[in-house]
Amino acid sequence: SQQGEEDPQALSIQEGENATMNCSYKTSINNLQWYRQNSGRGLVHLILIRSNEREKHSGRLRVTLDTSKKSSSLLITASRAADTASYFCATDAGGTDKLIFGTGTRLQVFP
Amino acid sequence: DTEVTQTPKHLVMGMTNKKSLKCEQHMGHRAMYWYKQKAKKPPELMFVYSYEKLSINESVPSRFSPECPNSSLLNLHLHALQPEDSALYLCASSQEVVNTGELFFGEGSRLTVL
Repeated sequence: SQQGEEDPQALSIQEGENATMNCSYKTSINNLQWYRQNSGRGLVHLILIRSNEREKHSGRLRVTLDTSKKSSSLLITASRAADTASYFCATDAGGTDKLIFGTGTRLQVFP
Repeated sequence: DTEVTQTPKHLVMGMTNKKSLKCEQHMGHRAMYWYKQKAKKPPELMFVYSYEKLSINESVPSRFSPECPNSSLLNLHLHALQPEDSALYLCASSQEVVNTGELFFGEGSRLTVL
């Protein structure tokens, strides 16, 4: 069964705006990761946040983690058309050796 | 070299065919994975190999048979597939499987079963 649910399922914004995606998961975790996938391509790792961290930044990306609510958010600031892709959260499903992906958010950034 | 290479990129096969998907990494990673992804869905874990041994099989039908000949190579042997097995098959690797750190993905093999 899926570990993570993401919302929104789809998001359309203009270049320069910020994009926020949310992820909720079901079991305890050691870490949570975010990946990006351009249409029909492989996934690219964006950022990993450990269960004892609350916030992490990488360039225009900001990730938060709230383990009490079992949720995470990914914020992309000053979005660009090149950010158009699907974004997935992924967790280690209760400290197992599996990385399980959430349902994903399809982001469209219009120039 | 931070690449995971998958071949072929596209594969069309009949339900009676036998074919294989191949995956290679030269990053010294000790864990390798197969995921299956249908259109507009997240990747679904199929198999995990750790130190060349199968550590996780997510109840995948036996018509999919994984093989890890050495630490750099991962194969997925396909036999008697069904049309519903058509999907993008993604290979990934990571340094270690415990605490599952960052996964490095290949570009995938798009499989069509007629």
